[in-house]
Amino acid sequence: GENVEQHPSTLSVQEGDSAVIKCTYSDSASNYFPWYKQELGKGPQLIIDIRSNVGEKKDQRIAVTLNKTAKHFSLHITETQPEDSAVYFCAARWYGSGYALNFGKGTSLLVTP
Amino acid sequence: GAVVSQHPSRVICKSGTSVKIECRSLDFQATTMFWYRQFPKQSLMLMATSNEGSKATYEQGVEKDKFLINHASLTLSTLTVTSAHPEDSSFYICSARDRQGNEKLFFGSGTQLSVL
Repeated sequence: GENVEQHPSTLSVQEGDSAVIKCTYSDSASNYFPWYKQELGKGPQLIIDIRSNVGEKKDQRIAVTLNKTAKHFSLHITETQPEDSAVYFCAARWYGSGYALNFGKGTSLLVTP
Repeated sequence: GAVVSQHPSRVICKSGTSVKIECRSLDFQATTMFWYRQFPKQSLMLMATSNEGSKATYEQGVEKDKFLINHASLTLSTLTVTSAHPEDSSFYICSARDRQGNEKLFFGSGTQLSVL
């Protein structure tokens, strides 16, 4: 299967600053990498995703970059706001998983006013 | 679009009883649904893959007789925790994939199960 490592486990930034969360994966055949935001007591919400044939994708204040050679991908949040505070999970879909995702351990992001 | 409804959001039951959790795709048809389990401050662990009209595929270490999964239609999958015990207390989350071939997975809001 696929092993996904995520860092850091906690991240605190001031409002307006940028936040970066990094993930690495083990299976070079993995081809789909989504990011989810989870608020307390709720299910994960898909915020952005990237396929292995793309190096970067941006959606307003959120961007994801992928380095296939190094097998790592990162989430970038610019101009952070207090409502960005949540737990963020990266995930990877590995070949043969039947579209199931393997998740990183999560990053608890705190944006302070 | 892409709304997955999960019910109930919270359930408390006595040890030895069974609990059923429903997962519905509201605006799309889901050939495949996945059930995850999440302990406090931990990641999501895949329990099983549910395919419409066929038997579920369980991950290693997940007891198929304890966690019964039924995917009888393209919009509904159920997870039944049978003879629940306190160690089954957890946050259970379902996710669904649109049968149109989109690889995106959308998650329900989760069910917090507490077994007394």
